[in-house]
Amino acid sequence: SQTIHQWPATLVQPVGSPLSLECTVEGTSNPNLYWYRQAAGRGLQLLFYSVGIGQISSEVPQNLSASRPQDRQFILSSKKLLLSDSGFYLCAWSVGSVYEQYFGPGTRLTVT
Amino acid sequence: SQQGEEDPQALSIQEGENATMNCSYKTSINNLQWYRQNSGRGLVHLILIRSNEREKHSGRLRVTLDTSKKSSSLLITASRAADTASYFCATAGTASKLTFGTGTRLQVTL
Repeated sequence: SQTIHQWPATLVQPVGSPLSLECTVEGTSNPNLYWYRQAAGRGLQLLFYSVGIGQISSEVPQNLSASRPQDRQFILSSKKLLLSDSGFYLCAWSVGSVYEQYFGPGTRLTVT
Repeated sequence: SQQGEEDPQALSIQEGENATMNCSYKTSINNLQWYRQNSGRGLVHLILIRSNEREKHSGRLRVTLDTSKKSSSLLITASRAADTASYFCATAGTASKLTFGTGTRLQVTL
């Protein structure tokens, strides 16, 4: 069966520090991968998605970047965090053309 | 930007009652999906309805889709306290992604 891992679960970082969040998927090949951010009590904002290794689509210009170094690994990064980067970050995957998505447990990021 | 807009934003009902949430969207879709999110957790897929379908059932869930009005509804029958969560609709178009709505927070009280 398929499993998605996200870490860390919580993170507190100072303004100006770098960020690296990792997401890995097990049990499937060539998944579509997604990074979302969710502000408190709000909906999901799609940040990046990838349909294959090295293929990244950016939805919102901002202080973040994404990379997909391996088929089932998706990394969200920042060189210098801003206060506005605080939020709940969710990774998800899908396969096929239906795009039903399966979500990881999320990372709660607080920038202080 | 958010394509789907859920209505109401928040809903409070008693256990055993039915809960109805609505979703409106703006562009053509291939399918529409509903997800549930418990507080502080990831989203869980509930049900998918294709653009050529009008109604679909799964257990206590009933979803309708009206493509002429660009709207969908999710009905949860005989609600339970465990149904307390936020519910999101999401639309799939031609790109490899979903566009999520703003969500409805459902509170089911004993």
